[in-house]
Amino acid sequence: GENVEQHPSTLSVQEGDSAVIKCTYSDSASNYFPWYKQELGKGPQLIIDIRSNVGEKKDQRIAVTLNKTAKHFSLHITETQPEDSAVYFCAASVHTGNQFYFGTGTSLTVIP
Amino acid sequence: NAGVTQTPKFQVLKTGQSMTLQCAQDMNHEYMSWYRQDPGMGLRLIHYSVGAGITDQGEVPNGYNVSRSTTEDFPLRLLSAAPSQTSVYFCASTSTSVSRAQYFGPGTRLLVL
Repeated sequence: GENVEQHPSTLSVQEGDSAVIKCTYSDSASNYFPWYKQELGKGPQLIIDIRSNVGEKKDQRIAVTLNKTAKHFSLHITETQPEDSAVYFCAASVHTGNQFYFGTGTSLTVIP
Repeated sequence: NAGVTQTPKFQVLKTGQSMTLQCAQDMNHEYMSWYRQDPGMGLRLIHYSVGAGITDQGEVPNGYNVSRSTTEDFPLRLLSAAPSQTSVYFCASTSTSVSRAQYFGPGTRLLVL
């Protein structure tokens, strides 16, 4: 099955700086890569996703990049704000299936 | 539109007891899933369903049963609770449209003594 690895496990940045979280996957059949934000006591919430036919996607301060050859994808958050503090999860899935494989999460702290 | 709802929010069980975690969605999604979340291990898929009457096992299915009699509901049953099943459980439903967005419920925190 698919194996998704996520780094770092914890990340602290100053407010206004950028944060980058990286994930790798093992199954070349995976073609859908969502990112989730989980606040304390809540369920994960989808914040951005990318498909394998696209190399980069951006939504305001959040961007995701995908390198299919190297089997890795990254989340970039620019101009970080305290409300960005949360746990972020990456995931990988095959388009025709409903099985999502998650990374182990990154706890992001934005220091005011 | 409530999205994905889960009950109860918190439950304490004794070893050997059984219980059902409820999950419902009002988005008419065909795909639904159950995950457990443990510290340092991310979310692991327990069971999933691609439609009413169809279920399948995920990564960690042992000790759990599911059924899907309607599109809206996807209950998870613990047959004989064990301390290793202490975890936070999340139900999710997935859009089968182009977006494939997956929506999670608020979770059920389970403690097995």
